[in-house]
Amino acid sequence: AQKITQTQPGMFVQEKEAVTLDCTYDTSDQSYGLFWYKQPSSGEMIFLIYQGSYDEQNATEGRYSLNFQKARKSANLVISASQLGDSAMYFCAMREGANFGNEKLTFGTGTRLTIIP
Amino acid sequence: EAQVTQNPRYLITVTGKKLTVTCSQNMNHEYMSWYRQDPGLGLRQIYYSMNVEVTDKGDVPEGYKVSRKEKRNFPLILESPSPNQTSLYFCASSPDRTGYSNQPQHFGDGTRLSIL
Repeated sequence: AQKITQTQPGMFVQEKEAVTLDCTYDTSDQSYGLFWYKQPSSGEMIFLIYQGSYDEQNATEGRYSLNFQKARKSANLVISASQLGDSAMYFCAMREGANFGNEKLTFGTGTRLTIIP
Repeated sequence: EAQVTQNPRYLITVTGKKLTVTCSQNMNHEYMSWYRQDPGLGLRQIYYSMNVEVTDKGDVPEGYKVSRKEKRNFPLILESPSPNQTSLYFCASSPDRTGYSNQPQHFGDGTRLSIL
């Protein structure tokens, strides 16, 4: 079974609209962390937001928020008021507590977001 | 500026010709890792290192070697590259985790390797 599933290979969104990128995860660990990274066409990986499994509140960072539903094992990224510069590939990733010592991130296959003017 | 630096950024080479991709970080991080990115597969871990002289295999280590002689450097070595190692490679680093911190991994800008 996939540990991180991103079911939207591509999305087109009108500029200034909000967008939700889906991410579900699978782990038997009680302690884990969820990350979102942005990869623009230039190729670098940019950290956006983090949610810990014990965090009671949804994480927010500027226009980014994480809709964390622990019982459903979902960690969707919400981008408010989208901008042309948000066009990129977005990856959801998980770090599991059982991998203590190895900080390995397990990545999903990504969602390519295109913002339309 | 805190950063992870990879070199080269792009390389086209031929099968069997040994190559090394360098990675250096200036944040005094204990943990470093290599990933490869392939279309439809996301990023997969190749090797990682928890500290100097401590390295271990990730999910896809075949055909690769690493070393960690200094804390800041973590080179990736392809002794005999083959076409199936054509990929985008990322080096990443983070502080050693105490408890379950929110420290993200910092990624280099990537190295695009083409093995002909």
